[in-house]
Amino acid sequence: SQQGEEDPQALSIQEGENATMNCSYKTSINNLQWYRQNSGRGLVHLILIRSNEREKHSGRLRVTLDTSKKSSSLLITASRAADTASYFCATDAWTGGYNKLIFGAGTRLAVHP
Amino acid sequence: NAGVTQTPKFRVLKTGQSMTLLCAQDMNHEYMYWYRQDPGMGLRLIHYSVGEGTTAKGEVPDGYNVSRLKKQNFLLGLESAAPSQTSVYFCASLGLGNEQFFGPGTRLTVL
Repeated sequence: SQQGEEDPQALSIQEGENATMNCSYKTSINNLQWYRQNSGRGLVHLILIRSNEREKHSGRLRVTLDTSKKSSSLLITASRAADTASYFCATDAWTGGYNKLIFGAGTRLAVHP
Repeated sequence: NAGVTQTPKFRVLKTGQSMTLLCAQDMNHEYMYWYRQDPGMGLRLIHYSVGEGTTAKGEVPDGYNVSRLKKQNFLLGLESAAPSQTSVYFCASLGLGNEQFFGPGTRLTVL
């Protein structure tokens, strides 16, 4: 079962614009992570935000977390063509003895030059 | 450091054939995972391991077996492949910051 659901499923923007992707989840979490996947490649970890944090920055990335609404957003500012990829949120919950990451279906981002 | 590597990169099997996918990591991580990724879906956990000699079932374990004889290696086996196992398989290991490091994937087609 998928815990994280990303919205939108696909996003197409021009270089220089900002891209916002949203993630909703269902159960309590320890942290929420965002990953990027370039076509035909493995996932790459972008950023982790803990359940007691509300906002986190890393370079052009800004992640927010609202545990009351069980939602998170990933903002990529001043997008570049190289940002074209699929972006996945993953919720991390301690379940019966191990850390379990549950991934959403992802948002496909296309950044046009 | 090579990180997480997977072999093979591509494979085509006929229904009923068997094969083993190999995952290796050189980061001395304890936890390792096998996922499958299907179109329009996120990754689904097949099996995982919390250390050498231990394995456990994930979300979709049926039709797969795993072994972790050495800390750096995590093997995924398909005893009798079925078309429903056509997928891209990813291995990952867990870093100290709770982030997962992924391999490049194995694209498997079962005819």
